[in-house]
Amino acid sequence: NAGVTQTPKFQVLKTGQSMTLQCAQDMNHEYMSWYRQDPGMGLRLIHYSVGAGITDQGEVPNGYNVSRSTTEDFPLRLLSAAPSQTSVYFCASRPGTLSGGPDTQYFGPGTRLTVL
Amino acid sequence: GDSVTQMEGPVTLSEEAFLTINCTYTATGYPSLFWYVQYPGEGLQLLLKATKADDKGSNKGFEATYRKETTSFHLEKGSVQVSDSAVYFCALRNYGQNFVFGPGTRLSVLP
Repeated sequence: NAGVTQTPKFQVLKTGQSMTLQCAQDMNHEYMSWYRQDPGMGLRLIHYSVGAGITDQGEVPNGYNVSRSTTEDFPLRLLSAAPSQTSVYFCASRPGTLSGGPDTQYFGPGTRLTVL
Repeated sequence: GDSVTQMEGPVTLSEEAFLTINCTYTATGYPSLFWYVQYPGEGLQLLLKATKADDKGSNKGFEATYRKETTSFHLEKGSVQVSDSAVYFCALRNYGQNFVFGPGTRLSVLP
């Protein structure tokens, strides 16, 4: 049971490049989400999904796309990278749906992204 | 909207010192409250939680009590160790809503 895995661990992009951050979980959790972590600002929610085929925007969705074709995978796409997207990105999952279920959220190890 | 405020630190203590990290929140209804810990180079892990007023969450020597009258959930530990050095996040979740995290407090414990 690997929990929540993320790849890559580190990435450097040039402004305007696109890329996909990968996230997978093997706990059969319905609920998955992407956060970015910036100094002094804690974690801010980018996008989330309450199940396969269902996604929604969080607090800071601009410049990012997501899809959820399977329960296990929840990739985050940066369409045209900007220096403001330099951050550490965390994927998380938990059982249950938005409207209920256990509260414990499991986090991946993070991806450190630098946009030059 | 809902929000969490916590002392940003950094907090530097000597080993065996007493730790308090303050956390206060603003929320409608009756949220669940959490403390998550992030060790260097890792993702966040749940440290403890409380789901209703006057509940006390505890784990690994850490404690926090849900105080609705003061909208607080302060984290305490009686004797910290070097291995407790990490970033600590206070968070809340209202029923049917997403998690809301505080800015995090960096703790350094010196031997």
